[in-house]
Amino acid sequence: QVQLQESGPGLVKPSQTLSLTCTVSGVSISSDIYYWSWIRQPAGKGLEWIGRFYASDSPYYNPSLKSRVTISGDTSKNQFSLKVTSVTAADTAVYYCARGSYSAWQYNWFDLWGQGTLVTVSS
Amino acid sequence: DIVMTQSPDSLAVSLGERATINCKSSQSVLYSSNNKNYLAWYQQKPGQPPKLLIYWASNRESGVPDRFSGSGSGTDFTLTISNLQAEDVAVYYCQEYYTTPYTFGQGTKLEIK
Repeated sequence: QVQLQESGPGLVKPSQTLSLTCTVSGVSISSDIYYWSWIRQPAGKGLEWIGRFYASDSPYYNPSLKSRVTISGDTSKNQFSLKVTSVTAADTAVYYCARGSYSAWQYNWFDLWGQGTLVTVSS
Repeated sequence: DIVMTQSPDSLAVSLGERATINCKSSQSVLYSSNNKNYLAWYQQKPGQPPKLLIYWASNRESGVPDRFSGSGSGTDFTLTISNLQAEDVAVYYCQEYYTTPYTFGQGTKLEIK
């Protein structure tokens, strides 16, 4: 059974760096038919795609966050990670990691999500 | 960015009746080379992550009840839930994967009347 589990600090101070890890079980993050994304959701609001990791391509980020975001993968641990620098209260959200379907050089829908982790930015 | 606009923002439907949720994209998400619409629908229940219901605008994900159906093409799409059940209470989102950054609709909250 494939599972995704987010982990990381639930509280981050303003101007510091938010760091989260998604541990994947049941499938390799090096699989050529899946890619891996981070998506966030502020309380009571909609979903915002942050970026993606695919083992055979460079990471890609939402331009709205690109200057502050890094997504990387660790195949030895079967994990992928998110870093967001210089956080503000606007970065407070539930952060989800998700698996995306990849085929024929195209990145498609998200077919499996982690349970999400709440990150609060506050001093 | 492609803007995805859902309507209505919320709706209440009686058990056993039909619920219809609309999604409009600011530009076409139909890829002409394969004639596929790069549009997915998700269901999110309180305290849970989104769950994939529909991809390619009309393909039902494995395990999703057949009372859920998707239709539409180009810029206008519809999610239809027939024979509404109590467990269908949720927020529903459409999402385009035609181009980055992938974007979601604002969500439609479905309740029981």
